[in-house]
Amino acid sequence: QLQLQESGPGLVKPSETLSLTCTVSGGSIRNRGDYWNWIRQPPGKGLEWIGSIYYSGTTYYNPSLKSRVTIFADRSKNQFSLNLGSVTAADTAVYYCARSGDDSDIDYWGQGTLVTVSS
Amino acid sequence: QSALTQPPSASGSPGQSVTISCTGTSGDVGGYDYVSWYQHHPDKAPKLLVYGVRRRPSGVPDRFSGSKSGNTASLTVSGLQAEDEADYYCSAYGGINNPLIFGGGTKLTVL
Repeated sequence: QLQLQESGPGLVKPSETLSLTCTVSGGSIRNRGDYWNWIRQPPGKGLEWIGSIYYSGTTYYNPSLKSRVTIFADRSKNQFSLNLGSVTAADTAVYYCARSGDDSDIDYWGQGTLVTVSS
Repeated sequence: QSALTQPPSASGSPGQSVTISCTGTSGDVGGYDYVSWYQHHPDKAPKLLVYGVRRRPSGVPDRFSGSKSGNTASLTVSGLQAEDEADYYCSAYGGINNPLIFGGGTKLTVL
């Protein structure tokens, strides 16, 4: 059974970089056809796709966040990570890592981690 | 990137059916058969209910069904149960430069 677990600081200061890592177990991030995603949900709001990294290493980003986002993978550790720069209070959210397939269906999710942007 | 349009709320009594709509454009919902639906209970991870417009993952009851007409996709929940009370989100593929778009979410209340 595939499992994903987010880790990283729960508090980030404004203007700094938010960094999160997703550790994947029960499967490989090198599995052909898999996309590894970051998704967030601000308090009281809906889900927002941040971006993804394909098994091949190709990355895709939400156009509205693209200038601040980097997603990269560490295949030796079976992890993928998110960096979101120049954060503001609007970036406060529960951040999920998740897997999707070629149908853009997200079938496995991490439990989510709350990141608060505050001084 | 504009979110797909969902009604903010929907409701029904136990045993009834409810349909939630998800409206996009010809560049996303209408252009590809890659529409998914998720159920999200508070403090839990979202759960995939429907993918590929109308396909269900194993283990999802057939009370949940998806469809699409033009630029609007729909999720129908039949035989409403108390545990169906949750937020529901649609998502769609929007092309190589906009791979995944979510709807704004619909809060389903079981009366």
